[in-house]
Amino acid sequence: QITLRESGPTLVKPTQTLTLTCALSGFSLSTSGVGVGWIRQPPGKALEWLVVIYWDDDKRYSPSLKSRLTITKDTSKNQVVLTMTNMDPVDTATYYCAHFNMDDTFDIWGQGTMVTVSS
Amino acid sequence: DIVMTQSPDSLAVSLGERATINCKSSQSVLHGSNNKNSLAWYQQKPGQPPKLLIYWASTRESGVPDRFSGSGSGTDFTLTISSLQAEDVAVYYCQQYYSTPYTFGQGTKLEIK
Repeated sequence: QITLRESGPTLVKPTQTLTLTCALSGFSLSTSGVGVGWIRQPPGKALEWLVVIYWDDDKRYSPSLKSRLTITKDTSKNQVVLTMTNMDPVDTATYYCAHFNMDDTFDIWGQGTMVTVSS
Repeated sequence: DIVMTQSPDSLAVSLGERATINCKSSQSVLHGSNNKNSLAWYQQKPGQPPKLLIYWASTRESGVPDRFSGSGSGTDFTLTISSLQAEDVAVYYCQQYYSTPYTFGQGTKLEIK
């Protein structure tokens, strides 16, 4: 059974760097064809795709956020880490990580972690 | 970026009636190599993460009731719920995965009339 669990701070100050971890279970990111993505959702708003990292360490970033995002994977710990620099109140959102399958869709999602950016 | 536009923004349908949600992409998401449309539909209930319903525009995810169906090709797509049930109240999103960034529509809120 595939599960993903996000963890990280619930509150960050403006200009700080956010670090979120996605713990993977039931699959390995060393398996050909799979990936893990991050998607965020501001309160009451739509989903926004941020980034995907693939089994071969290929990474695709949203162009609008590319300069602020870094995604890495640690296959030994079976986790993916997302960092976002220079946080701003508009980055307040629930951040989801999701399993990216061989049909190129997010078929399994974590429960999400709410991050508030405020001084 | 491919822009995904859903219509309507909200929809109220009576129990047992048909619900139809539309999604339009700013450019075609049809792959010439496999003749498949890179279009997915997700359902999100309050306080929950999105759930994958449909992929390749018309393939139902395992475990999804057959009252949910997807159709369309190129730039115009439709999600249909053939007989609305109370548990279908949710926000529905389309998403293209033809090219990164894999953009989502703005969402359609479905309620019971």
